[in-house]
Amino acid sequence: GAGVSQSPSNKVTEKGKDVELRCDPISGHTALYWYRQSLGQGLEFLIYFQGNSAPDKSGLPSDRFSAERTGGSVSTLTIQRTQQEDSAVYLCASSSGQGSSYEQYFGPGTRLTVT
Amino acid sequence: GENVEQHPSTLSVQEGDSAVIKCTYSDSASNYFPWYKQELGKGPQLIIDIRSNVGEKKDQRIAVTLNKTAKHFSLHITETQPEDSAVYFCFFSGGSNYKLTFGKGTLLTVNP
Repeated sequence: GAGVSQSPSNKVTEKGKDVELRCDPISGHTALYWYRQSLGQGLEFLIYFQGNSAPDKSGLPSDRFSAERTGGSVSTLTIQRTQQEDSAVYLCASSSGQGSSYEQYFGPGTRLTVT
Repeated sequence: GENVEQHPSTLSVQEGDSAVIKCTYSDSASNYFPWYKQELGKGPQLIIDIRSNVGEKKDQRIAVTLNKTAKHFSLHITETQPEDSAVYFCFFSGGSNYKLTFGKGTLLTVNP
């Protein structure tokens, strides 16, 4: 079946511009996660949505970052006034379980380059 | 947040040898310990996981062991093959702050 998809696959933007990254999770998955992976680094947790509960935003690095999940499905990660240090691969994952103790299915990521 | 340490950061082995990667954690609140494999240009993929009611789990050439007393869990790959070359991450979702934390990753290279 269809896996997690992300768009765009690559995004180049100028410093100071806003960007929106999209994630389409696996149908029926109640949990959705966003992570950031800088070159050669591990995954940094950003935000976690679980069903209709308030999202866990504890990983967002600054107030320039925000995310929404509409209708319990598609999610958009927005970065305002982008900075060069925002350059990274942004990964989305979804999961069918309640809580984070279940397999996460990852999308291919969006590579963001801020010039 | 949760302190998760993963070692080694790089590991190079000859084809057919075994590889072991270890993660240690500081908070004992989690009951789920997975390992993910990430190939170049792709998102991570779960390869094996274990829950805290067992000490070891095997799936063909891959095994995970858990020592809750010592607070560490390890990934074991036997009879390594070149296609095992990738970055491997442990994941931890426990802790008093319930932080979702991946280890820093281990770059495994299997030389033919």
